[in-house]
Amino acid sequence: AQSVTQLDSQVPVFEEAPVELRCNYSSSVSVYLFWYVQYPNQGLQLLLKYLSGSTLVKGINGFEAEFNKSQTSFHLRKPSVHISDTAEYFCAVSGGLRAAGNKLTFGGGTRVLVKP
Amino acid sequence: NAGVTQTPKFRVLKTGQSMTLLCAQDMNHEYMYWYRQDPGMGLRLIHYSVGEGTTAKGEVPDGYNVSRLKKQNFLLGLESAAPSQTSVYFCASSYGRGGETQYFGPGTRLLVL
Repeated sequence: AQSVTQLDSQVPVFEEAPVELRCNYSSSVSVYLFWYVQYPNQGLQLLLKYLSGSTLVKGINGFEAEFNKSQTSFHLRKPSVHISDTAEYFCAVSGGLRAAGNKLTFGGGTRVLVKP
Repeated sequence: NAGVTQTPKFRVLKTGQSMTLLCAQDMNHEYMYWYRQDPGMGLRLIHYSVGEGTTAKGEVPDGYNVSRLKKQNFLLGLESAAPSQTSVYFCASSYGRGGETQYFGPGTRLLVL
């Protein structure tokens, strides 16, 4: 079984400041890792994902994440946020290439509120 | 392309009533999913399908049924709605391989009184 823990339920941050959203996972098998963003009253869209290779993954809108296998973490960062980054962010894990169904297990989400 | 669409956008039900939520995708994806989103709990998988005519249970399947009669459609049914099923429901689809991106619909907000 897999699980995902997002350590902060809410993160207030000032515009143009950096932000880091923390994600830890547990799994007995190799995993794929994802970050999704949900803007108010919308569905989720993919920010970035780690499948293999370089542990530093770059995504859309200036976000990046680093996979750390020893610490079972996949933290999301942005060096300078904008008001438009106000949203809820979800970390998710799936069980690798051989796992049935490409199913995702989500963390509880982190609400980011960017203040002017 | 419309991507993933969901019908209806919002619905109010009384306890014991039934309803069907419709999900449609135009990306020729093999896999389709139904999730529910509740505050602080992220999204939890209800049922999923890896192809036309096949369905499987997810993490929270009780009280729901699904059908995938056509590749592009995935229906979620509530036979006898309960207040605990008040939630926002999201449909998603993806290509049929591990690591593929799931594409989400805009959601259906359901209130059960």
